[in-house]
Amino acid sequence: KAGVTQTPRYLIKTRGQQVTLSCSPISGHRSVSWYQQTPGQGLQFLFEYFSETQRNKGNFPGRFSGRQFSNSRSEMNVSTLELGDSALYLCASSLAPPQLGSSYEQYFGPGTRLTVT
Amino acid sequence: GNSVTQMEGPVTLSEEAFLTINCTYTATGYPSLFWYVQYPGEGLQLLLKATKADDKGSNKGFEATYRKETTSFHLEKGSVQVSDSAVYFCALSDRGSARQLTFGSGTQLTVLP
Repeated sequence: KAGVTQTPRYLIKTRGQQVTLSCSPISGHRSVSWYQQTPGQGLQFLFEYFSETQRNKGNFPGRFSGRQFSNSRSEMNVSTLELGDSALYLCASSLAPPQLGSSYEQYFGPGTRLTVT
Repeated sequence: GNSVTQMEGPVTLSEEAFLTINCTYTATGYPSLFWYVQYPGEGLQLLLKATKADDKGSNKGFEATYRKETTSFHLEKGSVQVSDSAVYFCALSDRGSARQLTFGSGTQLTVLP
């Protein structure tokens, strides 16, 4: 079974531009979460999508947004890029439990390395 | 809120040495606990997990036991190899947001031949 794929793997953008990152979850997984990894802040949760709806959101400004398509693929967008947005952006997929109280592990993709100059 | 505190790194060991990486957590309710590993230039791989108190997760010679009384989930391996060199992250997810992981700061492990 293919793993989580993320495209592109590397990206260089200029401050003020916007960027869109893509994530394809493992086949059958319906939940997609996004995380930002930086040396200073570590791994931080951005948001989670299930059934094309944002279910949970971390503490990030509105410049960070996302969406999920009917095939469970997800994109995240960052507008008006800042130097501090340089990071590894990780996508993770998991099965969606029928109700809260179950804990399905998340499977991570290789990440997209974004550099803002 | 939830938080995870990990042993500060980096940790350098000789091959075949015993490894312990400490992890303690703060959470409401009964979280699930995980150890993830990140090799250079790669994403995170799930190493092991435990979903309730006294559960022991194990994989590839690594073990960790969910200790509710001490709110800990320490990672251990009896004999490390050079190929174990990586960054290790302890994480939790609580029942209220089962798919949101809260991570520790990570521990860099280097194993020397």
